[in-house]
Amino acid sequence: GESVGLHLPTLSVQEGDNSIINCAYSNSASDYFIWYKQESGKGPQFIIDIRSNMDKRQGQRVTVLLNKTVKHLSLQIAATQPGDSAVYFCAENIGGGSYIPTFGRGTSLIVHP
Amino acid sequence: DSGVTQTPKHLITATGQRVTLRCSPRSGDLSVYWYQQSLDQGLQFLIQYYNGEERAKGNILERFSAQQFPDLHSELNLSSLELGDSALYFCASSPLLAGTDTQYFGPGTRLTVL
Repeated sequence: GESVGLHLPTLSVQEGDNSIINCAYSNSASDYFIWYKQESGKGPQFIIDIRSNMDKRQGQRVTVLLNKTVKHLSLQIAATQPGDSAVYFCAENIGGGSYIPTFGRGTSLIVHP
Repeated sequence: DSGVTQTPKHLITATGQRVTLRCSPRSGDLSVYWYQQSLDQGLQFLIQYYNGEERAKGNILERFSAQQFPDLHSELNLSSLELGDSALYFCASSPLLAGTDTQYFGPGTRLTVL
C-alpha cells in the first residue's frame, strides 16, 4: 500500500539555526497533512496542519510547505531551541471525508546548545 | 498536560491473554481516537469514536475492539495477545467529529506481551 516516509531519520542542528524536516508522501488523493512532535516518554503533540488546497501555512516559529507536484511536505522551525529536540512525524489523511491518517516513521531532531 | 488520561501506564501480560486499556478524554471532547506505536510499524491509527459511535477505522485487528461509553470515556480491548502486540497505545481526543480538529494525546499505555 501507499505510505508516508521521511528522508532523514536524524537531524542535528545548533541552537538558533533554522531546521527543515522533510516528508515524502505517495497518495495523491491525500487532502490533509499534519505535523506532530513527540518528546521522549510523551504522546504526540499537534504542531501544524495544512490542507491540500494550500501550499504554505505559518504558525509560531513553524512553517509547513506542501508541494503536491512532487508529493513533498516540509516543516521549517525557525531559531531552533533545545526544547525543540524531539521526534517529528508527518501524517497524511487518506480518508477523504473520514479521518484515516497514515504516519511517517519520524525524524529525530537534536538541538545542540 | 493534555487533559487526556490513560490507565494503566504500564501493563505486562502473557500471550493469549486479554487486556483492557482505558482512556478519559478532555472535558467536553466528543471524539476519541486510538493509536498503536511500535518500533517496527511506527504510529498507526486504529479507530475513532464520536459520541459513542464508531466513525472511522484504520489498521485495527479483529482481535482488538473498542467502545465509547455514555460518559465519553473509551476502552480498547485486546484479546488473544501475541508478542507482536507489544507497543505503546495512545488515546487522543478532540472536540468534534472531524479528524481535522486538533487532537490531544494522552501519555499512553505501554503494553508488554511476554
